Amino acid sequence: SQQGEEDPQALSIQEGENATMNCSYKTSINNLQWYRQNSGRGLVHLILIRSNEREKHSGRLRVTLDTSKKSSSLLITASRAADTASYFCATDADGNKLVFGAGTILRVKS
Amino acid sequence: DSGVTQTPKHLITATGQRVTLRCSPRSGDLSVYWYQQSLDQGLQFLIQYYNGEERAKGNILERFSAQQFPDLHSELNLSSLELGDSALYFCASSVALPRAGNTIYFGEGSWLTVV
Repeated sequence: SQQGEEDPQALSIQEGENATMNCSYKTSINNLQWYRQNSGRGLVHLILIRSNEREKHSGRLRVTLDTSKKSSSLLITASRAADTASYFCATDADGNKLVFGAGTILRVKS
Repeated sequence: DSGVTQTPKHLITATGQRVTLRCSPRSGDLSVYWYQQSLDQGLQFLIQYYNGEERAKGNILERFSAQQFPDLHSELNLSSLELGDSALYFCASSVALPRAGNTIYFGEGSWLTVV
């Protein structure tokens, strides 16, 4: 079963709007990562947040982590059509591997 | 370009056949991971090697096997193929293990179609 579960499954917004995706996981983690995948392509690493961190920024990305609720959120500000992709959270379930959620499909309309 | 190289990019084969997917990790990366992505199962972790040794196993079928060679490249062998094995197979690599917060870099994948 998946360690991380993203919510919503799909999100459609207008260019310039913010997009928020959520991820919940089941077991304790050392870190949580967010990845992006353009259709049929490989996954690209976006940002990593460690279990002792609560918030992290990278450009237009903002990630939060709440270990008490076992959840994380990814915020993309001022979205662009090029942000259209699937976004996955991944956790180091047992330290040796990354387990991915089902992903959120983001569509940014121009 | 992530630096992870996978071959072949596309492969069409018949049921019952066997194929080998190859992966060259990024230079210096010791960990190699294999993932399967299909529409109905999502991104499933198959197996992971670290410096030639198997370190973690996921939902890998007995018909599938993998290994990492001394030069750190890896192969995923899929045998007795079934229609349901049609998927995008990813190889990924990282310097060390995920617990240390290492970024995992993905290749572009090998599209396998079983007919």
